[in-house]
Amino acid sequence: SAVISQKPSRDICQRGTSLTIQCQVDSQVTMMFWYRQQPGQSLTLIATANQGSEATYESGFVIDKFPISRPNLTFSTLTVSNMSPEDSSIYLCSVHGTGGLGSYNEQFFGPGTRLTVL
Amino acid sequence: KQEVTQIPAALSVPEGENLVLNCSFTDSAIYNLQWFRQDPGKGLTSLLLIQSSQREQTSGRLNASLDKSSGRSTLYIAASQPGDSATYLCAVKDTGGGNKLTFGTGTQLKVEL
Repeated sequence: SAVISQKPSRDICQRGTSLTIQCQVDSQVTMMFWYRQQPGQSLTLIATANQGSEATYESGFVIDKFPISRPNLTFSTLTVSNMSPEDSSIYLCSVHGTGGLGSYNEQFFGPGTRLTVL
Repeated sequence: KQEVTQIPAALSVPEGENLVLNCSFTDSAIYNLQWFRQDPGKGLTSLLLIQSSQREQTSGRLNASLDKSSGRSTLYIAASQPGDSATYLCAVKDTGGGNKLTFGTGTQLKVEL
């Protein structure tokens, strides 16, 4: 398995501002994933962050709106820029299992960051 | 494009009942399927992972089955308890979809005393 922590756990922000969410993993991982869960919706992948290269964004998500950093193998940040009420969601960080080949296929999630934009 | 559907959207049962949650997916070319639970205001907890070559996986009172050809998975919960109350999500990883998980919208389960 993998132990993932996120900061902040929740925040209330004003329209037009930006928020940076941090994700820390207890072991080194190649890929880190950022998901969004809008109210009443299922989770959607925003982007995949690889250390040493630019993040890969899914259709409908752009780097200007959701810049991602990946400075090392245990840490990543997601910034939600120029926020609007439509960005109110839970943002979750995810990684593959780190306990060996058998666990690699399993995906684990952090506790999430609950963002409310007024 | 893969689509995942979960039925029912909500379910309320008395304690002790056995129950089945359903998950269907439109593209059978999957690499694996994973079941999660999500407690209110919390992240996701992985329950069971089924590889595409497997038919079922068991963990304690939970049993998940996979019928890839028909695009279906079920999560069976035996002898339900109030602590099982949560939203249950299934997610599939496609063979050609990189590492992306496609999620269903979940089944909200309430187990009553």
